[in-house]
Amino acid sequence: DIQMTQSPSSVSASVGDRVTITCQASQGISNWLAWYQQKPGKAPKLLIYAASSLQSGVPSRFSGSRSGTDFTLTISSLHPEDFATYYCQQANDFPLTFGGGTKVEIK
Amino acid sequence: EVQLVESGGGLVQPGGSLRLSCVASGFIFSSYEMNWVRQAPGKGLEWVSFISTSNTPIYYADSVKGRFTISRDDAENTLYLQMSSLRAEDTAVYYCARATVIPAAHLDYWGQGTLVTVSS
Repeated sequence: DIQMTQSPSSVSASVGDRVTITCQASQGISNWLAWYQQKPGKAPKLLIYAASSLQSGVPSRFSGSRSGTDFTLTISSLHPEDFATYYCQQANDFPLTFGGGTKVEIK
Repeated sequence: EVQLVESGGGLVQPGGSLRLSCVASGFIFSSYEMNWVRQAPGKGLEWVSFISTSNTPIYYADSVKGRFTISRDDAENTLYLQMSSLRAEDTAVYYCARATVIPAAHLDYWGQGTLVTVSS
């Protein structure tokens, strides 16, 4: 199985801050990586697919990138509605696997 | 508007069975691969099962293999998860999720989830 190591597990930030979350795959997954946002009591929402493509309707302050087996989700300027938990997921092979999550909290 | 609505969750004793349903609307259900994903209370996301169009292939997480069965009824636009030999560790919110076509296996729409509690 492909392991997804996500860091940090939590980050405290202020409105307007730039936030970066990383995910490392245990083996090559090409660009087959998704990022999701989840708010308490709600279903996850797809933000980024294929490592760097923005899902329709998602604000452009969200971006994704890849370097080898390392993937990054960047929020360029944190908005109040962005405080949530973020997950990466590899879509290269079954079983699909998720990172452990990163909780973005208000500083 | 794409909608996925799960039902069938509830309290069940260890060793018991439960069938979850996910009714889809707003898209051509038969053209999309589907998944079940679960989330234990306070924990992260865990993929459970996948079913392709035309029912082949089907995949399961090792943690549920042999106990859970995924199926679909394209005429009824419904995805199912039959769960048996339930354990306490199966307690979770279960989400159905649609997979993107290109690229594959990214989950672009999710239901609101249904809670399964396994306890005596």
